[in-house]
Amino acid sequence: GNSVTQMEGPVTLSEEAFLTINCTYTATGYPSLFWYVQYPGEGLQLLLKATKADDKGSNKGFEATYRKETTSFHLEKGSVQVSDSAVYFCALLPGNQFYFGTGTSLTVIP
Amino acid sequence: EAGVAQSPRYKIIEKRQSVAFWCNPISGHATLYWYQQILGQGPKLLIQFQNNGVVDDSQLPKDRFSAERLKGVDSTLKIQPAKLEDSAVYLCASSLQGGAGNSPLHFGNGTRLTVT
Repeated sequence: GNSVTQMEGPVTLSEEAFLTINCTYTATGYPSLFWYVQYPGEGLQLLLKATKADDKGSNKGFEATYRKETTSFHLEKGSVQVSDSAVYFCALLPGNQFYFGTGTSLTVIP
Repeated sequence: EAGVAQSPRYKIIEKRQSVAFWCNPISGHATLYWYQQILGQGPKLLIQFQNNGVVDDSQLPKDRFSAERLKGVDSTLKIQPAKLEDSAVYLCASSLQGGAGNSPLHFGNGTRLTVT
């Protein structure tokens, strides 16, 4: 079946630290992969996406590379800011339905 | 462009009461989704519409939940009667063309439902 597994949080980092949030998936065919971010009290917002193997999605200093050989789409940022504190969701689109991970909460402290 | 609009933002009801949520998607978006997000979990799809037709409602508890999208634009989701376990955030999302990798979801801010 189709599923997404994210590293469990919560994650707490100091400002300017390096961030990695792991995401692996199980899917049939050639899915598209997404990272969404949810700030407190808001809906999810698209952060970045990749639609085929070896594609790198990037936005706001975040990036993730679609690795078909390891079925992974890890989210990285070189230097986090307090404003990056949010919940991050990895998502999979293998057909016409999105599958979401359980989310990883990130808190960045000054 | 205007985003996905949802109302109300918050709702508190007692169990066995009924409640309705409203969603207005981004103009021109053919596909509309309702998701249920329980605290600490990822969104779970309840129902997906393509224009005014249902594409997938396999995870909608049809004994108590119903949804419609008349005229292929606005949508309402209703729960009757509500149970304690329905306490969650109900998210509406839309996309230009559902199921296409270049057509991501755009979410509203959600309705937080508390059933007491």
